[in-house]
Amino acid sequence: DVKVTQSSRYLVKRTGEKVFLECVQDMDHENMFWYRQDPGLGLRLIYFSYDVKMKEKGDIPEGYSVSREKKERFSLILESASTNQTSMYLCASSLVNSGAYEQYFGPGTRLTVT
Amino acid sequence: QKEVEQDPGPLSVPEGAIVSLNCTYSNSAFQYFMWYRQYSRKGPELLMYTYSSGNKEDGRFTAQVDKSSKYISLFIRDSQPSDSATYLCAMSARRKLIFGTGTRLQVFP
Repeated sequence: DVKVTQSSRYLVKRTGEKVFLECVQDMDHENMFWYRQDPGLGLRLIYFSYDVKMKEKGDIPEGYSVSREKKERFSLILESASTNQTSMYLCASSLVNSGAYEQYFGPGTRLTVT
Repeated sequence: QKEVEQDPGPLSVPEGAIVSLNCTYSNSAFQYFMWYRQYSRKGPELLMYTYSSGNKEDGRFTAQVDKSSKYISLFIRDSQPSDSATYLCAMSARRKLIFGTGTRLQVFP
């Protein structure tokens, strides 16, 4: 079974703090994704990566950056957290030759910025 | 206009009912059409996918795609309380998925 793990289930941070969200997958998937999920807005893509050290902006990259130094690990960074970044953050991975559709998701990190 | 529109519900049905969940979309370049299921406090999991138009059946679940109308559906037969979850439609043209907002389904005994 594919396993995607995220470093924290719940996180509370203060405005202005630098926040790191870690994601690890154990199935040698090339593609990795970061989404945020908000009521009424669904899942929105923040960034994705199709290879080590490669990244592409998604639909809402402002205020976020990412790092992919190893194939299995994809980190989301909030340089200076703000209250409007309070959300559920979901990481996903997929094989490159399956297209984007068969994505495997982690359990999510619920981030609260106060 | 959003690329993918989905009624958020909630939809509440008795056990054994047939459930119909739907999405419309505007981008004719979409080729892969997916349904993900998300239980409370969990990440989404892929339920079914369809390439281009047509039907696909998997047990009690049937996915339908009508590209001419830009409309996709998921039917659940003999619904069970364990089907209670949020169902997200998603579509893909290349590397990215575009998700609907999700429909929350509650099946009561």
